[in-house]
Amino acid sequence: TQLLEQSPQFLSIQEGENLTVYCNSSSVFSSLQWYRQEPGEGPVLLVTVVTGGEVKKLKRLTFQFGDARKDSSLHITAAQPGDTGLYLCAGATLWSGGANNLFFGTGTRLTVIP
Amino acid sequence: DTGVSQDPRHKITKRGQNVTFRCDPISEHNRLYWYRQTLGQGPEFLTYFQNEAQLEKSRLLSDRFSAERPKGSFSTLEIQRTEQGDSAMYLCASSLTQVHTEAFFGQGTRLTVV
Repeated sequence: TQLLEQSPQFLSIQEGENLTVYCNSSSVFSSLQWYRQEPGEGPVLLVTVVTGGEVKKLKRLTFQFGDARKDSSLHITAAQPGDTGLYLCAGATLWSGGANNLFFGTGTRLTVIP
Repeated sequence: DTGVSQDPRHKITKRGQNVTFRCDPISEHNRLYWYRQTLGQGPEFLTYFQNEAQLEKSRLLSDRFSAERPKGSFSTLEIQRTEQGDSAMYLCASSLTQVHTEAFFGQGTRLTVV
């Protein structure tokens, strides 16, 4: 069962356009990470957001954690072909024993056309 | 540190054969995760370890799957009597024990069952 739903599933845009990817869940997470994955490789961590309402920027990428810590968004400004890849959100759950787990979203495949 | 390494990168096996994959985590990381990923989807959680203890197993992990981390360092994932549906990318990740999990992934082992 996927706890996290991402939208859109596929996105193809022209170089220079802006875009937003959404990650939604009915579950509350202690933190949420965004990863980018290239074909044939493992996911690479981009950012971690922890506090409800938190906004983090990484060059042209802006990440926001929802106030209730159930959802997140990734906004890319002036997309470039190098941004092409599979974007994954992942939520960390915190169990009473202190151990936690990491569940991934369904992924958004972004293609930026030169 | 060379990061998380997985071996082999690719494995082709005949249906019914057993296969074993190895993961070497980042040396100071005491948490280790196994995920399975099919084409175009986000990684699906299989199991995770804290040191040598296997703390959680997904219902996806049938009786044919077993994972070990005997000394709390490297881990192995074995699939017995492989089926065509087992064909996927098997990803290993490691992290430090902390509330806000940030996982670092290996490059994965791509399994093809013919």
